[in-house]
Amino acid sequence: GESVGLHLPTLSVQEGDNSIINCAYSNSASDYFIWYKQESGKGPQFIIDIRSNMDKRQGQRVTVLLNKTVKHLSLQIAATQPGDSAVYFCAENGGNTGKLIFGQGTTLQVKP
Amino acid sequence: ETGVTQSPTHLIKTRGQQVTLRCSSQSGHNTVSWYQQALGQGPQFIFQYYREEENGRGNFPPRFSGLQFPNYSSELNVNALELDDSALYLCASSLDLAGVGGELFFGEGSRLTVL
Repeated sequence: GESVGLHLPTLSVQEGDNSIINCAYSNSASDYFIWYKQESGKGPQFIIDIRSNMDKRQGQRVTVLLNKTVKHLSLQIAATQPGDSAVYFCAENGGNTGKLIFGQGTTLQVKP
Repeated sequence: ETGVTQSPTHLIKTRGQQVTLRCSSQSGHNTVSWYQQALGQGPQFIFQYYREEENGRGNFPPRFSGLQFPNYSSELNVNALELDDSALYLCASSLDLAGVGGELFFGEGSRLTVL
């Protein structure tokens, strides 16, 4: 069945270090992927997206890498800050189905 | 701020009751999607409305129903509430279909507790 999974439920990093959050997806038809950040008590917030015709995309302090061969997605956050503490979700479009399929989420904890 | 507003923010119901949740989409967005997020889980797609028509539905029973109005705002209705319906219900708007040309903008959600 469809599933998008995160490799680790919780990631703890020191402030200033780089963070890498991983995600595995199972639907080969997916051609659009998004990373969301969700802070406590709030809705998911768009971070960055990538289409399947790319393998890397950079934003401000964030980079998304896509490896279609092994169906793996990662989010890299440079110089992690306390404000980055949140749950991070990857999502895929399941092949342009009109819906997004979310993973379980990884909790990022930033230690001062 | 995404411009997507949901109401109410919190509510408590008892089993068997009915609930209506409301969502105002971001200005200019014609697509509204509803997601259910259980505690500690990722959001699960319920259904999507595009220009007032249902356009895709997830694995939810018929007691979950919705509407989209001409101004693109939307309602989610749940009948015969069950304890497992307790969750955060998220509304998201987009220009056209999610994954096709744009990202979803989520509201803050409506936290439903069923006792």
